[in-house]
Amino acid sequence: GQQLNQSPQSMFIQEGEDVSMNCTSSSIFNTWLWYKQDPGEGPVLLIALYKAGELTSNGRLTAQFGITRKDSFLNISASIPSDVGIYFCAGQRGNAGNNRKLIWGLGTSLAVNP
Amino acid sequence: DGGITQSPKYLFRKEGQNVTLSCEQNLNHDAMYWYRQDPGQGLRLIYYSQIVNDFQKGDIAEGYSVSREKKESFPLTVTSAQKNPTAFYLCASKTGALNQPQHFGDGTRLSIL
Repeated sequence: GQQLNQSPQSMFIQEGEDVSMNCTSSSIFNTWLWYKQDPGEGPVLLIALYKAGELTSNGRLTAQFGITRKDSFLNISASIPSDVGIYFCAGQRGNAGNNRKLIWGLGTSLAVNP
Repeated sequence: DGGITQSPKYLFRKEGQNVTLSCEQNLNHDAMYWYRQDPGQGLRLIYYSQIVNDFQKGDIAEGYSVSREKKESFPLTVTSAQKNPTAFYLCASKTGALNQPQHFGDGTRLSIL
């Protein structure tokens, strides 16, 4: 199946640094979602984006729906040790049939050095 | 407490056996999903169900079966036909409303003895 191009694959940063990751696709999406997964647990929704150009924040997290509708990014400001985990992007192309299925990136693994 | 409950957390299977993974939700969600997660491969869709008594194959349905007899429950059976079943299995659900996000359970890790 199709996958989103998510980068970087992994990051190792110092506590307090800002983090940026992104997802791109050759297809247009009408929904972008960002999830975080801790080891041995299910993904937890961080931010949902529904409009091109939309910029949404959730605490220290900010995500944007690209104006071309083919990309999205997630920023984390002032990272802390509990930000460690794998971050996934997911997109939905449409509202009918197979377009309703989520397409997933392969994840960005984040490590934070205290 | 509302949520999605997957059980068991860890499951072991002997070769040639079928095993069933449980997924129950009390969120009154219409749609439910099963994903398989392998290291470095992200989430791959096995089966999904948008309403009771209806389900569709995902991208990797071979060797798996599901049922949706109740709105709250969407069990996944890993059959002996699945030759590489060792993985982390995730169940998700969402409302029927368009563009609403999926929410996940905590997963079941299946291993072959």
